[in-house]
Amino acid sequence: EVQLLESGGGLVQPGGSLRLSCAVSGFTFNTYAMSWVRQAPGKGPEWVSGIIGSGGSTYYADSVKGRFTISRDNSKNTLYLQMNSLRAEDTALYYCAKDFPKFENWGQGTLVTVSS
Amino acid sequence: DIQMTQSPSTLSASVGDRVTITCRASQSVNKWLAWYQQKPGKAPKLLIYDASNLESGVPSRFSGSGSGTEFTLTISSLQPDDFATYYCQQYNTYSPLTFGGGTKVEIK
Repeated sequence: EVQLLESGGGLVQPGGSLRLSCAVSGFTFNTYAMSWVRQAPGKGPEWVSGIIGSGGSTYYADSVKGRFTISRDNSKNTLYLQMNSLRAEDTALYYCAKDFPKFENWGQGTLVTVSS
Repeated sequence: DIQMTQSPSTLSASVGDRVTITCRASQSVNKWLAWYQQKPGKAPKLLIYDASNLESGVPSRFSGSGSGTEFTLTISSLQPDDFATYYCQQYNTYSPLTFGGGTKVEIK
């Protein structure tokens, strides 16, 4: 069974940083691209970033380019999202998703709130 | 960016009804379109990919069609478990990947 477990969310001040993690199991992690997708309260999903299985190529939405960095540790079956220079508009539930550019399986999400 | 427009935004229907949701792209996305179902407090779930391919484990009452700029998701006979919000997503262009605004299927 595919399992995706996000962690690392929380309350952060504008301009601050957070690192999200997604621990996966149930599939061969290094053979799949992975993604981060966020959803602001009451809104639809918004794609944030994607990374191929080897980690050699990464993709970002313009809204986070230069501020967020996606990475993965295939030895630990873990996906990461380093988020810097956070803004109020980054407030959302952040989901880790298996595959890119479509999203086959999703975690339960971790909530990021950017507020002073 | 490719804009994805869904209609209607809300749909009221009864159990057993045939339901159709439309998704239009601002430019061609070929067949690179997915449909997701989301229930309150839950993550989205992939239903359809490549416009018409049913994801494993998804009931056959769900079907997708279309190509280019116009796509439909059809539920042949609405079941109680199907009341949810549905989103389309294009993946023809990665910069960026985009979702539609959603269609909420409510009980009539």
